[in-house]
Amino acid sequence: QSALTQPASVSGSPGQSITISCTGTSSDVGSYNLVSWYQQHPGKAPKLMIYDVTKRPSGDPNRFSGSKSGNTASLTISGLQAEDEADYYCCSYAGSSTLIFGGGTKLTVL
Amino acid sequence: QVQLVQSGAEVKKPGASVKVSCKASGYTFTNYYVHWMRQAPGQGLEWMGIINPSGGSTSYAQMFQGRVTMTRDTSTSTVYMELSSLRSEDTAVYYCARDQGADYVFHYWGQGTLVTVSS
Repeated sequence: QSALTQPASVSGSPGQSITISCTGTSSDVGSYNLVSWYQQHPGKAPKLMIYDVTKRPSGDPNRFSGSKSGNTASLTISGLQAEDEADYYCCSYAGSSTLIFGGGTKLTVL
Repeated sequence: QVQLVQSGAEVKKPGASVKVSCKASGYTFTNYYVHWMRQAPGQGLEWMGIINPSGGSTSYAQMFQGRVTMTRDTSTSTVYMELSSLRSEDTAVYYCARDQGADYVFHYWGQGTLVTVSS
């Protein structure tokens, strides 16, 4: 089972919007609305940002949003801020009580 | 508040086994599944498996089948992940994480445990 495909890096200026894609197959992303996104700052544990494709944990900023089309899920961050600079990982349910991560995307805020 | 506290860093020789613990507090231990992930230095996250603390049932990622064992101790609200036949490529930070009721989402994370495999 190969990792989900994410771009290695994306960048944007403060205030701009960026989108990170996460491409899987019809056996994982395409079959289940169980895609989640995690933010990880250096040396820290990951933090949940989006789950079930579009849901945000309570209290989290609404600058983060998720979507899905076919076998590709996406995370959009609007109004980029310096503290958004981090690594981002998607994760999808893949059936039979298994999960699969994307390779991760490094977001740079210029 | 929900807390997952993992055991400390380990250094192991190739071929040995390591057992990492994850002690839960702040919620009813048997109500929520616990997952294990790992992250090699400079690399991405890998999902290793899941354990249901209620009955102890498990599901492991194919790449770890036969080498990983996840168990739990309900008397201490602790889950364990044991990885055997260690090789240098197993050097990583290992994380436990709790879901919110079989939703396969990692809502709460442990602080991570560094396992170094070196001769």
